[in-house]
Amino acid sequence: EIVLTQSPDTLSLSPGERVTLPCRASQSVDSDSLAWYQQKPAQAPRLLIYATSTRATGIPDRFSGSGSGTDFTLTISRLEPEDFAVYYCQQYRSSPITFGQGTRLEIK
Amino acid sequence: QVQLLESGPGLVKPSQTLSLTCTVSGDSISRGHYYWTWIRQSAGKGLEWIGRILTDGSTRYNPSLKSRGTISMDTSKNQFSLTLTSVTAADTAIYYCARGVAPVISTRGWYAPWGQGTLVTVSS
Repeated sequence: EIVLTQSPDTLSLSPGERVTLPCRASQSVDSDSLAWYQQKPAQAPRLLIYATSTRATGIPDRFSGSGSGTDFTLTISRLEPEDFAVYYCQQYRSSPITFGQGTRLEIK
Repeated sequence: QVQLLESGPGLVKPSQTLSLTCTVSGDSISRGHYYWTWIRQSAGKGLEWIGRILTDGSTRYNPSLKSRGTISMDTSKNQFSLTLTSVTAADTAIYYCARGVAPVISTRGWYAPWGQGTLVTVSS
């Protein structure tokens, strides 16, 4: 099973700042088998990015993804108030599908 | 617009069977290129993939379930279901159904959309 590690657990930032969220895999995930989700309180996760860097339909271009092998990142270029949420990475390189434990963005 | 909605009991007794149904609207679960998945979320384990069913009815499960899970589909009702036997407190979680999208020649991919989720508590 591929273990995904996201750190830190929580980041405190201000609107307007740029943030890069890392996701490290315990083994190679290839360059196109990683997705990112955003989850707000009492809501289901929402797909942001798939295939490492492809934005899902309707996702603003301030969200971008990059990486390959075992190291991936989600970047939010300029934080909006609605971006403060929990972010999860997910790999689909091999079964079982696994998710990272999430990074919470909170308002400083 | 595709929507998924989970339904089922919110409380299950230990050692009994958990049964949930996901009703899909706006898309046919028989249509190729997609697959149908159950994922759960608990405070202790975070997001955990339970398993998936393809349009041909083939299934795959997380080994962590130790063969307790079964996913099935009813194309006439446009629904798919999860049963989980011999539940314990560790199965207490929010259960989500989701549509899986896979790259060509793959049966693994990303998930969109998700249902709203349903909380299942295992307790006597």
